[in-house]
Formats: sequence, structure tokens, C-alpha cells
Amino acid sequence: NAGVTQTPKFQVLKTGQSMTLQCAQDMNHNSMYWYRQDPGMGLRLIYYSASEGTTDKGEVPNGYNVSRLNKREFSLRLESAAPSQTSVYFCASSERAPGHNGYTFGSGTRLTVV
Amino acid sequence: AQSVTQLDSHVSVSEGTPVLLRCNYSSSYSPSLFWYVQHPNKGLQLLLKYTSAATLVKGINGFEAEFKKSETSFHLTKPSAHMSDAAEYFCVVSEGPGGYNKLIFGAGTRLAVHP
Repeated sequence: NAGVTQTPKFQVLKTGQSMTLQCAQDMNHNSMYWYRQDPGMGLRLIYYSASEGTTDKGEVPNGYNVSRLNKREFSLRLESAAPSQTSVYFCASSERAPGHNGYTFGSGTRLTVV
Repeated sequence: AQSVTQLDSHVSVSEGTPVLLRCNYSSSYSPSLFWYVQHPNKGLQLLLKYTSAATLVKGINGFEAEFKKSETSFHLTKPSAHMSDAAEYFCVVSEGPGGYNKLIFGAGTRLAVHP
């Protein structure tokens, strides 16, 4: 019963470096999401994928790209990291209508950009 | 557009006393509402959800919340706080009716429980 698995758990990048955050779910959920969490701001949606083969921008997409590799996997890429992207990143998944059952979250990736 | 406001950024209670975490929402539709909890350095866990059934919703660990449409509120309560309740709590509203909807998070309330 793994649920949503995120890797890595911690990462330090230098400004300008790139990296990909990985996310996989084993619940056969259709929809997947990437959020960032910053103090006092709750969680803000970066990108989401309503179903395999589709991706859409959320509230704060600038500086990020995503790939829905298959139904299980949804990755988030930082092409050129900036200090403003220092945050905790959460991946989540849901059935097609999260309004009924909410999300299942991963344990997060703590990213520091120096 | 839907939004959610958590009225207190920090709440501090003594162990064994009641907990009240306040949440107001704005929605053009009949909303789905949730409370999530996040313990330090952990992911988010669903506490309870309201999806247009009973207005008083019971969740895990003794928490409950009451949906009050006239007040556009969905406050979280617990009769007696335990040390293990210390965490951050998020009130969440579903973006729209039916079908596919994103969830919109409040800014969070940090609950401290003192002996």
C-alpha cells in the first residue's frame, strides 16, 4: 500500500542547475498534481494532469515543466533553478472527481536552491 | 471563483481543552469541503470531508466539522486536545460542481498543544 511515492526527499541545487522530481502512484488514479508549499501560503498548484496524456497549468507554473509519462507517473522539471523555487514540493493523485474523495499526497520533496 | 480563508494562522491550547480551528469559504456552487492535517516534516493526511450529505462530519482522531451554509463556514473542532494533535491544519474547498475539480487550499492554521 505505497500510495504516492516521491523522489528524492531532499535536494540542494545551485542556481541555474536543472533537476526532475519524480512521482508515482499505485492506486490507478486518473488525475495527478504538483503543489508547492511555502510558509503562510498554504499549497499552490503548479501543474496538474486530469488524465493520462493531458497536462495543464495551475496557479504558479512559471519556471516548471511536467510530463505525464503514463498513468502512474507524473514528473516535475526545473530547467534552470532559482532561489525563489526553494520550497517543499508535494505530488498528489485523485480519482477523476477529487471533490468527492480529495487527494492522496506523497511525503514531499524539500528543495533548496542556493 | 472559489476561495477559502482560515481565520487564525496560529492556535494554542492546553492538553485536554477544546480545539476550534475556523474556516470560511466562498463558492458559487454547493461546495465539497475538506480538512487536511500535516504533522511536522510529513505529507498531508485527510481528516474529514463534506460532500453535501450530513452537515456534521466526523473524521479521524476525534475531529469533526460542521458545514453552515448560512455562515459559509466549516469550522474544525475537537472536544479534548491531545499532544499528538500538534500540527498544521488546512481547510480546502473543491473548485466547482461535479466532474473534474481542483482543490483550493487555505493558508493553514498551526495548532500548538501545551501540557
